[in-house]
Amino acid sequence: DAGVIQSPRHEVTEMGQEVTLRCKPISGHNSLFWYRQTMMRGLELLIYFNNNVPIDDSGMPEDRFSAKMPNASFSTLKIQPSEPRDSAVYFCASRSNSGYNEQFFGPGTRLTVL
Amino acid sequence: SQQGEEDPQALSIQEGENATMNCSYKTSINNLQWYRQNSGRGLVHLILIRSNEREKHSGRLRVTLDTSKKSSSLLITASRAADTASYFCATESQAGTALIFGKGTTLSVSS
Repeated sequence: DAGVIQSPRHEVTEMGQEVTLRCKPISGHNSLFWYRQTMMRGLELLIYFNNNVPIDDSGMPEDRFSAKMPNASFSTLKIQPSEPRDSAVYFCASRSNSGYNEQFFGPGTRLTVL
Repeated sequence: SQQGEEDPQALSIQEGENATMNCSYKTSINNLQWYRQNSGRGLVHLILIRSNEREKHSGRLRVTLDTSKKSSSLLITASRAADTASYFCATESQAGTALIFGKGTTLSVSS
């Protein structure tokens, strides 16, 4: 298995633009998580899905952020409009609901909003 | 919100020495996990300890858990330069919700 796949790996955009981050979880995993990492705030959980259904989106900073999981193999995190304070590394992680509770992380998307 | 708080924030040691990192948390947990993050990479799972366990070993890693003090420690023995990374503790609550991560300890091992 290729592991969790995220795209793009790097994104540079201007303030006000729409940004879409993509994630393909490990095949067979039931849960998918989106995190944001910054120096100031560390690693924050934004939202997580179980069997494609959003379970907890309390970490989503504001209405500019939205996430979808249309099927078990794909999820998106969208920011519209983007702001400089959204600059961070965004990680996607997936986990199987059976057995061990280990989360598998993707390589992250480094977002810079100018 | 942050659940785990690692201590120290940064640790510098020589190769061959042991490294100990601590984690404190606030609420009751199902399990506590430790992850490593190399610079510019995603997090990698190291070890999980359940709330009814007190100690666990994996290779050069030893994890302890004290639920009465709501704290855990990660010991890396005989450290190597390749152990240089940030280490995070993460807790899963008894409600079984997603992991909550601390801010991490940055470990530097010099040869």
